[in-house]
Amino acid sequence: EVQLVESGGGLVKPGGSLRLSCAASGFTFSSYSMNWVRQAPGKGLEWVSSISSSSSYIYYADSVKGRFTISRDNAKNSLYLQMNSLRAEDTAVYYCARAQYYYGSGKEAETDYWGQGTLVTVSS
Amino acid sequence: EIVMTQSPATLSVSPGERATLSCRASQSVSSNLAWYQQKPGQAPRLLIYGASTRATGIPARFSGSGSGTEFTLTISSLQSEDFAVYYCQQYNNWPKTFGQGTKVEIK
Repeated sequence: EVQLVESGGGLVKPGGSLRLSCAASGFTFSSYSMNWVRQAPGKGLEWVSSISSSSSYIYYADSVKGRFTISRDNAKNSLYLQMNSLRAEDTAVYYCARAQYYYGSGKEAETDYWGQGTLVTVSS
Repeated sequence: EIVMTQSPATLSVSPGERATLSCRASQSVSSNLAWYQQKPGQAPRLLIYGASTRATGIPARFSGSGSGTEFTLTISSLQSEDFAVYYCQQYNNWPKTFGQGTKVEIK
């Protein structure tokens, strides 16, 4: 059974930092691209970042570029999101999600499994 | 950035009725579109990918269609467990963008 378990959320002051982790199990982690997706309270879904299976590509939403860093440790089956210079508008539930990759088209595709999310609150 | 626009924002449907949800892309995304269902307090669940392929374990009453810029998610006969928010997402171009969601509520 595929399981994704996020941790590291909490309350942080504006300008502060936080590191989210996602522990993966039930599948060959090193074979899959991974995503972070967030959802502000009462709002819709926002894709945040993607990283390929070997970290050969990394993409960010403009809203977090230069402040957030995605990384992974395939030996530990773990995904990370380092969040710096946090703002009130970064307040959200952050989901870790597995993504499919279509080698024929060279395109990352749908996210087929999601964790339950971890809440990040940025407030003074 | 490709903007995804879903309509309507809220759809009121009686159990057993058909629900039709729309998603429009600001430019062509080919068939690189997914639909997700989200219930309150839960993570999203993948329903449809490739615009029309049901994900593993998704009931046949869910179907997707369309390509290019116009897409539809149809729920043929709404069950009580289908009342939720539905999101479309394109993955043809970076960034991978979501629509704002359609809430399907009980009429």
